[in-house]
Amino acid sequence: DVKVTQSSRYLVKRTGEKVFLECVQDMDHENMFWYRQDPGLGLRLIYFSYDVKMKEKGDIPEGYSVSREKKERFSLILESASTNQTSMYLCASSWLAGGVEQYFGPGTRLTVT
Amino acid sequence: KNEVEQSPQNLTAQEGEFITINCSYSVGISALHWLQQHPGGGIVSLFMLSSGKKKHGRLIATINIQEKHSSLHITASHPRDSAVYICAVRSRTGNQFYFGTGTSLTVIP
Repeated sequence: DVKVTQSSRYLVKRTGEKVFLECVQDMDHENMFWYRQDPGLGLRLIYFSYDVKMKEKGDIPEGYSVSREKKERFSLILESASTNQTSMYLCASSWLAGGVEQYFGPGTRLTVT
Repeated sequence: KNEVEQSPQNLTAQEGEFITINCSYSVGISALHWLQQHPGGGIVSLFMLSSGKKKHGRLIATINIQEKHSSLHITASHPRDSAVYICAVRSRTGNQFYFGTGTSLTVIP
């Protein structure tokens, strides 16, 4: 079974803090993704990575950066957290581009106060 | 405008009822996914399909590529089916996923 894990289920941070969200997958997947999920807006892609040290912007990259130094690990960074970044953050991974199933982590509910 | 539209947004059913959730999309796709999200956030992939029909237990997913439409059916619904069901499509031209806003299903005993 593919396992995608995220470093925290719940996180509370203050405005202006630097926030790291980590995602680890154990199936040697090339692709990894970060989404945020907000009521009424569904899942929106922040960034994805198709290989180590490779990244591409998704639909809403502003205010976020990512790091992929190892194949199994994909980090989402909020350089200076703001209240509008309060959301559920979901990480996913998949084998290859194009029509292949994504496997999701359990999610991190981030609250920025 | 959303590339993926789901209906209904909310659905309440009695245990045992047959349930249908619909998904329409406007982009060319390589595959369509149905996802299930339980309270607490975890998402599980139910189906990935690019044509025809798939069945897992009481769940059936169909897709009509010409009409750009997919349906998820649940037969003999049960309270444990209560969850948010999300339709997602992968674009044919790129590495892009588009998601519907989800259908919140509540099955009452």
